[in-house]
Amino acid sequence: GAGVSQSPSNKVTEKGKDVELRCDPISGHTALYWYRQSLGQGLEFLIYFQGNSAPDKSGLPSDRFSAERTGGSVSTLTIQRTQQEDSAVYLCASNNRGITDTQYFGPGTRLTVL
Amino acid sequence: KNEVEQSPQNLTAQEGEFITINCSYSVGISALHWLQQHPGGGIVSLFMLSSGKKKHGRLIATINIQEKHSSLHITASHPRDSAVYICAVRPNTDKLIFGTGTRLQVFP
Repeated sequence: GAGVSQSPSNKVTEKGKDVELRCDPISGHTALYWYRQSLGQGLEFLIYFQGNSAPDKSGLPSDRFSAERTGGSVSTLTIQRTQQEDSAVYLCASNNRGITDTQYFGPGTRLTVL
Repeated sequence: KNEVEQSPQNLTAQEGEFITINCSYSVGISALHWLQQHPGGGIVSLFMLSSGKKKHGRLIATINIQEKHSSLHITASHPRDSAVYICAVRPNTDKLIFGTGTRLQVFP
């Protein structure tokens, strides 16, 4: 079946612009996670959605970052007024929390802020 | 000090060698994951452990909860095993805390 998909695969933007990154989780998965992988660094948790519960936003690095998940499916990560330090690969993962802890990762969106 | 430490950071091996990657953590956890990230970035979940040992093909993962330590072993390594191997722990929340990864290169 279809895995987690993300779009765009690459995004180049100018400093100060807003960007939106999209994640389509595996159908039926109740949990959705956003992570960031900066060059030469490990993966970093950003935000977690589980069903209809309030999202865990504790990993968002600043108030320029926000995310929403509509209808319990597709999620959008928005970065406002992008900065060069936002350049990274943004990864989305999903799972059926409560059934399995295995997370299924998307291919990521490589964001470059010039 | 990072909450999740992996060693070594880089590892090279000849095809056929037995490989061990180590992960130590400093927080209480409910589960530990081993992930594989190939060049090009795709991440695949290899194992999720909360105790004992799991085996899948040539891969074996073990965890010692008391010592807060896990190992990933690869038997009869092959060049296609070349990747970054990432240890991640799940404390008693739903977030994962990641190690910085071990870059493995297996030469023919």
